[in-house]
Amino acid sequence: KQEVTQIPAALSVPEGENLVLNCSFTDSAIYNLQWFRQDPGKGLTSLLLIQSSQREQTSGRLNASLDKSSGRSTLYIAASQPGDSATYLCAVRMSGSQGNLIFGKGTKLSVKP
Amino acid sequence: DGGITQSPKYLFRKEGQNVTLSCEQNLNHDAMYWYRQDPGQGLRLIYYSQIVNDFQKGDIAEGYSVSREKKESFPLTVTSAQKNPTAFYLCASSIRTGGIHEQYFGPGTRLTVT
Repeated sequence: KQEVTQIPAALSVPEGENLVLNCSFTDSAIYNLQWFRQDPGKGLTSLLLIQSSQREQTSGRLNASLDKSSGRSTLYIAASQPGDSATYLCAVRMSGSQGNLIFGKGTKLSVKP
Repeated sequence: DGGITQSPKYLFRKEGQNVTLSCEQNLNHDAMYWYRQDPGQGLRLIYYSQIVNDFQKGDIAEGYSVSREKKESFPLTVTSAQKNPTAFYLCASSIRTGGIHEQYFGPGTRLTVT
């Protein structure tokens, strides 16, 4: 059974730092991987989606990488800002599945001014 | 504006009552999903539907029911059989575009049962 783990569970950094959030999964037979942002009490906002055949995706200050064979993905945030404070969730869709996602528990990020 | 709407944002019910959570999308997406989120936990799949009039149980379907009579709508009923219904409920939808199945989420409904 696929398990998705995110480390660390919480992270606090000063504004301006570059940072990396980690996501690992136990079964490499994934179709794609999505990174989401969740603000307190809100729904999820999709940040980046990486297909299993891709190595990385970039959007603005965000860069997500995927190493399917080792079961790992990272989300790199450059020049962090207080507005980046949120919980970041990683989720995988398995190959041959009906499209439902399997989620990690998230990393709660706090960027201090 | 295209998107997913969930109503209401907050819902309070007494134990033993059934309650229905609304989810509507105008994205013309084929698939719709219901997830449950508890504090400190990842999202867990309750039910999903790939097409109208068809749906499948997810990992934690016990005590829940759904219907998919229209492409745009996928309501979730939390029945009195659900032992621990207080949670944050999220609805999502997706479409297959060139092999990509990106999921989009609604704003969520926080259900409190006392």
